[in-house]
Order: sequence, then structure tokens, then C-alpha cells
Amino acid sequence: LAKTTQPISMDSYEGQEVNITCSHNNIATNDYITWYQQFPSQGPRFIIQGYKTKVTNEVASLFIPADRKSSTLSLPRVSLSDTAVYYCLVGASTGGGNKLTFGTGTQLKVEL
Amino acid sequence: GAVVSQHPSWVICKSGTSVKIECRSLDFQATTMFWYRQFPKQSLMLMATSNEGSKATYEQGVEKDKFLINHASLTLSTLTVTSAHPEDSSFYICSAFTSAKNNEQFFGPGTRLTVL
Repeated sequence: LAKTTQPISMDSYEGQEVNITCSHNNIATNDYITWYQQFPSQGPRFIIQGYKTKVTNEVASLFIPADRKSSTLSLPRVSLSDTAVYYCLVGASTGGGNKLTFGTGTQLKVEL
Repeated sequence: GAVVSQHPSWVICKSGTSVKIECRSLDFQATTMFWYRQFPKQSLMLMATSNEGSKATYEQGVEKDKFLINHASLTLSTLTVTSAHPEDSSFYICSAFTSAKNNEQFFGPGTRLTVL
């Protein structure tokens, strides 16, 4: 499984856009990129998934350059409730029936 | 989305006792369930993969005789921590997979185990 590297922590203020970048230099051709959010003492929650270019849903956007060696999770106008740990994962198919390997994650702290 | 529940949400037990944690997929059938462990301020670590009707596959370093996994039906997997010790205190999280829902893994809310 491809190893991922993310910043350990990030700070932001309410209303700002937050971009969290993940490096995955050894991503394989059939690997997808998936981001999860985890609040303290809760299970991870799926945010977004993509293979290439840009993916957008109701909560976030995912930008993937052509070489796919990195990806950026973009959270528009964050609020205090977005304070959480964000994990970037890469793996075959959509990670459904396959093992997920969680990296260190990025602790996002949003302040007023 | 799909809902995965865990029971209990927290448990405190004495050293040497066994504790069973249940993971249920409430509105879908899960062919595969995964069990993770998470220590404070650390990431999730996969312990084992559980397939309905077959033996679980354990990750390297996870003692299969200590962490017993049973996946008796398509909606229920159980993790039993046998002869628990204080170092087994952790947050245990399960996830369930179904190809019927975009091949996504759905995570349970976790179970906090404290061994005294």
C-alpha cells in the first residue's frame, strides 16, 4: 500500500478555506485517493474520494494533479465543528473490501 | 449512508477478564468487516479482517488467540479481548464493507475499553 505524508497539524479561523495536502509518491495505477474525518472518540467518516483531476461534493473538493503523486483536500469556509483529524488514504479500488492503512493524519484546529 | 453500530460504547473491566465487543451493520449486509485499534493521539491500526463464515485474517503482530473474532452473520461481527490487561486499554473501531454502497467502508462509533 502506498505510504502517505501529511502535515501533522494545521490551524485556521472560521470562514476561511483550508487546504490539506497529502503526498503519495508511490501511488499505484489502480489506487484511489480517499479522505476521512475523525472527531475525538468517534469512528472515521468518509469525506471524499477521487482518482484524478478534481472531485467536488457537498462538503469538500479534492484536487489531484496529473502525476497523482499528491492530492489536496479543500474545505471551504470552515467552522469550529470542522476541528478534527483528517486522514488521507490511498489504495486499490475504493478501499471498500480492501484493507485501509491510516497514516498519521492532520489535526485541523479551527478557531473563532 | 449506511449505519454501523458498536456495543458497548465503553467498558471498564478488571485485569484478567474477557470482554466482547459487537459490531453490527444495521441497514445493510456486510460481507467483510474490519477491526481497528486506536491509542490516544495515534492513528488507527488495522487488527484483522473478518469475512462472514470464515476465519479472520490477522495483521502481523496481532495475537489471534487474544483477540478472538467471530463473523457469524452478514450483519454481526464480534471481537473478544481475552484475559485483558491494562495495555489492552484502547479505542476499538470496526468498519463494514458492502459492494452495494459504492464499495465504501462504513465505520462504527468505536468502543472505549479500559482495563484496570
